[in-house]
Amino acid sequence: GAVVSQHPSWVICKSGTSVKIECRSLDFQATTMFWYRQFPKQSLMLMATSNEGSKATYEQGVEKDKFLINHASLTLSTLTVTSAHPEDSSFYICSARGGGLGESGELFFGEGSRLTVL
Amino acid sequence: GQNIDQPTEMTATEGAIVQINCTYQTSGFNGLFWYQQHAGEAPTFLSYNVLDCLEEKVRFSSFLSRYKGYSYILLKELQMKDSASYLCVPMDSNYQLIWGAGTKLIIKP
Repeated sequence: GAVVSQHPSWVICKSGTSVKIECRSLDFQATTMFWYRQFPKQSLMLMATSNEGSKATYEQGVEKDKFLINHASLTLSTLTVTSAHPEDSSFYICSARGGGLGESGELFFGEGSRLTVL
Repeated sequence: GQNIDQPTEMTATEGAIVQINCTYQTSGFNGLFWYQQHAGEAPTFLSYNVLDCLEEKVRFSSFLSRYKGYSYILLKELQMKDSASYLCVPMDSNYQLIWGAGTKLIIKP
């Protein structure tokens, strides 16, 4: 199947700093990428949908100014958590869907990034 | 081996913004410092990053990505006094600082 690479795998930040998480589709062009957040023992929660070259669509309750999403190319989307606070500590996961392998609608997930804010 | 790669020299205009990039390879890693050094003077501390984040201060910010072996310092509202060398200094597993030649930043009016 297609490969989606997510970095970093884990990151620890001080409160008030910003952190960027990258999501790359390695062997296909991802026209759409999704960002999820998962708290311990809870299900995945969709945060936003990003389409290449346009602004991301955020789910209700997700602050777009706090979670900046950029999808500048067909193989890269980034999520920046600005002015992170301990309550932002979570597991962030991206997925991608695109042409070719992804035309059937199947989502390919990255490995996830565990963010801990001290 | 251990090495640091940053531009030898950069030029920017007073009032502008400049980003100085640094890539490094070290035996282990215990954080990275940025120092400013004016000609003929000792280095002065600017920042220390050990976590993968962007730290923003009033006129400058420092960023670190450990998995990429990459850091940068961003200076805003440049002033003539910012003309200096900027040293990217990683610390290895033995807490030894690895010094390179730095980037000479020239500010023009």
